[in-house]
Amino acid sequence: ILNVEQSPQSLHVQEGDSTNFTCSFPSSNFYALHWYRWETAKSPEALFVMTLNGDEKKKGRISATLNTKEGYSYLYIKGSQPEDSATYLCAFSYSGGGADGLTFGKGTHLIIQP
Amino acid sequence: EAQVTQNPRYLITVTGKKLTVTCSQNMNHEYMSWYRQDPGLGLRQIYYSMNVEVTDKGDVPEGYKVSRKEKRNFPLILESPSPNQTSLYFCASSFTLAGGEYFGPGTRLTVL
Repeated sequence: ILNVEQSPQSLHVQEGDSTNFTCSFPSSNFYALHWYRWETAKSPEALFVMTLNGDEKKKGRISATLNTKEGYSYLYIKGSQPEDSATYLCAFSYSGGGADGLTFGKGTHLIIQP
Repeated sequence: EAQVTQNPRYLITVTGKKLTVTCSQNMNHEYMSWYRQDPGLGLRQIYYSMNVEVTDKGDVPEGYKVSRKEKRNFPLILESPSPNQTSLYFCASSFTLAGGEYFGPGTRLTVL
């Protein structure tokens, strides 16, 4: 079982502030790194999938970076809004002769305070 | 509308009574998978399938079976459910592992 660590576990941020959190994963045999947003009582929704070292992706106020050599990815939220409150999950897959399954971290639970 | 559907959404059953949770997607995705979500443990992959007739174990496959006879369907079978399989189950699909997964609405299973 692969180890995917996310930190912090939870985060309270004031509305309007920017924030970021981390996903750490094994750096060998990397295939892809996913970020998902999971709101309470809903299903996870894909935000980004990154496959190349140095990849940067952006969607509105949310962006992500990837460092496959050192095994980490950052998710950034600029100017947090109450609707950003959710659990953010990262998931890692490795290449073992072909892409393998996905291993998820436990998530960062983000609460935006008005 | 592109979607992943799961049935049933809620199920209460008893130990040992075989059950199947169905999963279907209408996006012609090749990759499908099943997860369980438990408090404090996050989402854990049970089984996944890269294509028809190709299935592989995820991180927690014990006590589960799957089949992929058609591209659109990926049922999860519990031959003899036990209380430790009480959980929230999600089915998901994508074109490949390099694409984000679409998740179904979840099935909340309680095994008494």
